[in-house]
Amino acid sequence: EDKVVQSPLSLVVHEGDTVTLNCSYEVTNFRSLLWYKQEKKAPTFLFMLTSSGIEKKSGRLSSILDKKELFSILNITATQTGDSAVYLCAVEALKETSGSRLTFGEGTQLTVNP
Amino acid sequence: SAVISQKPSRDICQRGTSLTIQCQVDSQVTMMFWYRQQPGQSLTLIATANQGSEATYESGFVIDKFPISRPNLTFSTLTVSNMSPEDSSIYLCSVDGQGGSDTQYFGPGTRLTVL
Repeated sequence: EDKVVQSPLSLVVHEGDTVTLNCSYEVTNFRSLLWYKQEKKAPTFLFMLTSSGIEKKSGRLSSILDKKELFSILNITATQTGDSAVYLCAVEALKETSGSRLTFGEGTQLTVNP
Repeated sequence: SAVISQKPSRDICQRGTSLTIQCQVDSQVTMMFWYRQQPGQSLTLIATANQGSEATYESGFVIDKFPISRPNLTFSTLTVSNMSPEDSSIYLCSVDGQGGSDTQYFGPGTRLTVL
């Protein structure tokens, strides 16, 4: 069974701090790893990673994948209160019956205090 | 990215009743997915809906409880049948990215409370 584990489950920091969120996985027929930010209901897409060692960057957020060690990290520098959210890691795997499917981790609840 | 809408955005229902959630996409998509997110938990895939074929359900989910329709390439419905308080969740539909993108995009979700 595919498995995605995120750590920590929750994190409280002050504005300006840098945070690192972790995601490890065990899946069959790995296709990609995705990071989402969930503030209210719908998760919004952040990054998709398919290759090891190539950092994806968007503003203060960056992410990298290690396919050998089966993990990814999401970094947020100079955190702001607007970064407070649940950050979800999901791994896409190819499946015979349904093409592909996403398996989500439990998420990391990030709280950034002023 | 696709623009996805869901109706209703929220509802409060009585035990034993059924609710049908609609998902509309602004472009044709091959695969649509239905997820459930119970309070304090992550997203769990209920089923994958392809147009013109039966939905594929994940372990722990059955068609009698969560019937799905996919009449065309832009629309799908999920029905939560014979509801109990344990069905109180956020229900989200998502679609595969188009134009070579492999990510999934999510609708705004439906927050269901069962009394």
